[in-house]
Amino acid sequence: QKEVEQNSGPLSVPEGAIASLNCTYSDRGSQSFFWYRQYSGKSPELIMFIYSNGDKEDGRFTAQLNKASQYVSLLIRDSQPSDSATYLCAVNKFTQGAQKLVFGQGTRLTINP
Amino acid sequence: EPEVTQTPSHQVTQMGQEVILRCVPISNHLYFYWYRQILGQKVEFLVSFYNNEISEKSEIFDDQFSVERPDGSNFTLKIRSTKLEDSAMYFCASSDRTGDQPQHFGDGTRLSIL
Repeated sequence: QKEVEQNSGPLSVPEGAIASLNCTYSDRGSQSFFWYRQYSGKSPELIMFIYSNGDKEDGRFTAQLNKASQYVSLLIRDSQPSDSATYLCAVNKFTQGAQKLVFGQGTRLTINP
Repeated sequence: EPEVTQTPSHQVTQMGQEVILRCVPISNHLYFYWYRQILGQKVEFLVSFYNNEISEKSEIFDDQFSVERPDGSNFTLKIRSTKLEDSAMYFCASSDRTGDQPQHFGDGTRLSIL
């Protein structure tokens, strides 16, 4: 089982609609979760992070966390063509006091004008 | 807004040569990381560094790799004898604390091994 799983897509959403991106993780002890946006050929850019069960909103973005189901999601409201990118789900993993990010494969999102 | 800077943006090297990738983390950050991303694949952890020593390294980070903080601002990744399979984007990241703090990534260095 992969540590962090995402549907690779592509996910196609019309402009103005809600884009919903999903991620599951295998380590039940994971405590912090991150969404990064990556444009083609560029570096990951932090969009949202969430630590507690429930929803966290920041502008057009909402992160949702359900630790019981080991499920994280990202909603993008009023999708714009500039939101077209690959969205990376990452989980913080601790080993003997050190931390590292474990990434999913990423979901490629296309917003159609 | 403070950012992580990486140089060079693109490095082309002959197989077997040594290469050094440079990073300047955000100034008040204490934790430093290298990740790599082979074309079309996911971002993979290489190494974390804190208090002038390696905190953790992955299986990828073998004896050919080393990291160093030669002064108060730079953080470097050295590959001693490059292989074709080392071709990838290499990202440096930093965070101000451990314990769930977001990591901020630099723009990356595209390493091409010929």
